[in-house]
Amino acid sequence: EAAVTQSPRNKVTVTGGNVTLSCRQTNSHNYMYWYRQDTGHGLRLIHYSYGAGNLQIGDVPDGYKATRTTQEDFFLLLELASPSQTSLYFCASSVGSSAETLYFGSGTRLTVL
Amino acid sequence: QQKVQQSPESLIVPEGGMASLNCTSSDRNVDYFWWYRQHSGKSPKMLMSIFSNGEKEEGRFTVHLNKASLHTSLHIRDSQPSDSALYLCATSNTNKVVFGTGTRLQVLP
Repeated sequence: EAAVTQSPRNKVTVTGGNVTLSCRQTNSHNYMYWYRQDTGHGLRLIHYSYGAGNLQIGDVPDGYKATRTTQEDFFLLLELASPSQTSLYFCASSVGSSAETLYFGSGTRLTVL
Repeated sequence: QQKVQQSPESLIVPEGGMASLNCTSSDRNVDYFWWYRQHSGKSPKMLMSIFSNGEKEEGRFTVHLNKASLHTSLHIRDSQPSDSALYLCATSNTNKVVFGTGTRLQVLP
């Protein structure tokens, strides 16, 4: 099964803080995604990418930046964290086409105080 | 913005019973439908996919798709306590994968 590794597993920061969440996949997948999961909202798409240097805007992008530095690595950046960004963040990857399954990492739980 | 509506929000069934979950997309351009299952404290994992009209069965799980109404349903027969989880419906077109809010299924022994 496809391997997607997220770090850190847990992160606590303060309002206004700077946070970077990391995601690495080692399956040569073209597409990578960042989602946030909150009770009552399901999984909401923040940003996604179809290759190194590419970035596509998701449905809830405000307050987030992302960067795909290599085929394997996709980062989510919160430059001025707010309590509303307290959430469980999942990274996922897929081979490429719309018909492909997403493989998820284990998640990062972020708390903004 | 495409939306995916799931119902019911939560469902309790007895062990051995049938669970039926529903999902409808608001985007007429979606091509593909999936069901993902997420056990408590875990990440979502793909359970079943369906891309054309009709029915697909895998063991105790059956999915239906009606593309004209953009509606899919998941049916779990002979439900087991290990089926207790959050079930997420997902749709996609042009590689943007959108999830619904999920149905939380609890199977009571």
